[in-house]
Amino acid sequence: GAVVSQHPSWVICKSGTSVKIECRSLDFQATTMFWYRQFPKQSLMLMATSNEGSKATYEQGVEKDKFLINHASLTLSTLTVTSAHPEDSSFYICSGKQETQYFGPGTRLLVL
Amino acid sequence: GESVGLHLPTLSVQEGDNSIINCAYSNSASDYFIWYKQESGKGPQFIIDIRSNMDKRQGQRVTVLLNKTVKHLSLQIAATQPGDSAVYFCAENIQNSGYALNFGKGTSLLVTP
Repeated sequence: GAVVSQHPSWVICKSGTSVKIECRSLDFQATTMFWYRQFPKQSLMLMATSNEGSKATYEQGVEKDKFLINHASLTLSTLTVTSAHPEDSSFYICSGKQETQYFGPGTRLLVL
Repeated sequence: GESVGLHLPTLSVQEGDNSIINCAYSNSASDYFIWYKQESGKGPQFIIDIRSNMDKRQGQRVTVLLNKTVKHLSLQIAATQPGDSAVYFCAENIQNSGYALNFGKGTSLLVTP
């Protein structure tokens, strides 16, 4: 299957700071990427759909000004959590679409 | 709203036995279904998928069955191995809604020796 990477794999930051997470499709071009959030022992919840060269589409309840998404190339989408707070601590997972959706390894964010 | 759900949150099987994980969906417009395996601290790993014009699809040691009449999906794992221990999610894609997936709650599969 297709390979998706994420960086960093984990990050700890202070409350109020911003954190950028990168999602890359390594062996395919992804015009569409997705960002999910997963809390412990829960399922994946879609946050937004990232489209190359256009604005992201956010799910209901997800603040677009807090979770900034940029999809500047066919292999890279970034998610920036702005002014992070402890309740933003979660496991963030991206996916790229090629026939089906392939997921990255996830980024664990801990906001102190 | 409509969602994908699982019948059993946990499943314990002995090594070598067959495992069956079930999933119910409620949206009749769903036309594509995927099973993912997620190990602790990792991203979901694609296992097998099936489209709504099929009722069965087989992979290596895995079989997915789709019953559109009762909106039910199952994943069968043959000769379950310790490495199969993980959380399994079913996910659905709704026709003409783009390619975003709606995930079920997940079933934790524990394989005992």
